[in-house]
Amino acid sequence: SYVLTQPPSVSVAPGQTARITCGGNNIVSKSVQWYQQKPGQAPVLVVYAGTDRPSGIPERFSGSNSGNTATLTISRVEAGDEADYYCQVWDSSSDQYVFGTGTKVTVL
Amino acid sequence: EVQLLESGGGLVQPGGSLRLSCAASGFAFSNYAMSWVRQAPGKGLEWVSTITGIGGSTYYADSVKGRFTISRDTSKNTLYLQMNSLRAEDTAVYSCAKGGCSSPPCYISDFWGQGTLVIVSS
Repeated sequence: SYVLTQPPSVSVAPGQTARITCGGNNIVSKSVQWYQQKPGQAPVLVVYAGTDRPSGIPERFSGSNSGNTATLTISRVEAGDEADYYCQVWDSSSDQYVFGTGTKVTVL
Repeated sequence: EVQLLESGGGLVQPGGSLRLSCAASGFAFSNYAMSWVRQAPGKGLEWVSTITGIGGSTYYADSVKGRFTISRDTSKNTLYLQMNSLRAEDTAVYSCAKGGCSSPPCYISDFWGQGTLVIVSS
């Protein structure tokens, strides 16, 4: 089955840029979504189809995808961005959705 | 306003069964794929199952295939998850999620419910 690998944690100072990676075999061929989940809350979609943002999501959140790695970039990080982030794709070879292992973003 | 309200969780013994329900409102229920996603305590998100909006095709994670059944009643705008042969590792908060379109491969969800807790223990 398809596996998505994320770093367990990323730390960033306020105002700096956080980059969260999501590794998967030839992930560039897939549509990647990113979800933000704060403690005790439901996940929120922050990027879909690799680079698109739902309405209401700040432009500070952006996505990219190349080769075997997709990346969520959070610019000008704020304290409110502290959360767990998950990547997600549809694996057409198995007809299954797959979530990444999740990355905890800590704002220093 | 989109609303998803799950119910049916609780404590069940290993080998037992439960049926979860998700009452949906605020959108054209029959037009969208719906999914169940679970999260074990302190763990990450795990996709469980999806049913398409039109045609009702179903998809399952390997971990639940043959034990769980997803279904929907469009007359009641309700999504279901019948869980049989439950195991301790099925313990989690189960959330229903509204899909981004009528069927994969579009994203799992742009709106999630708050979830219902299932505990499998003797």
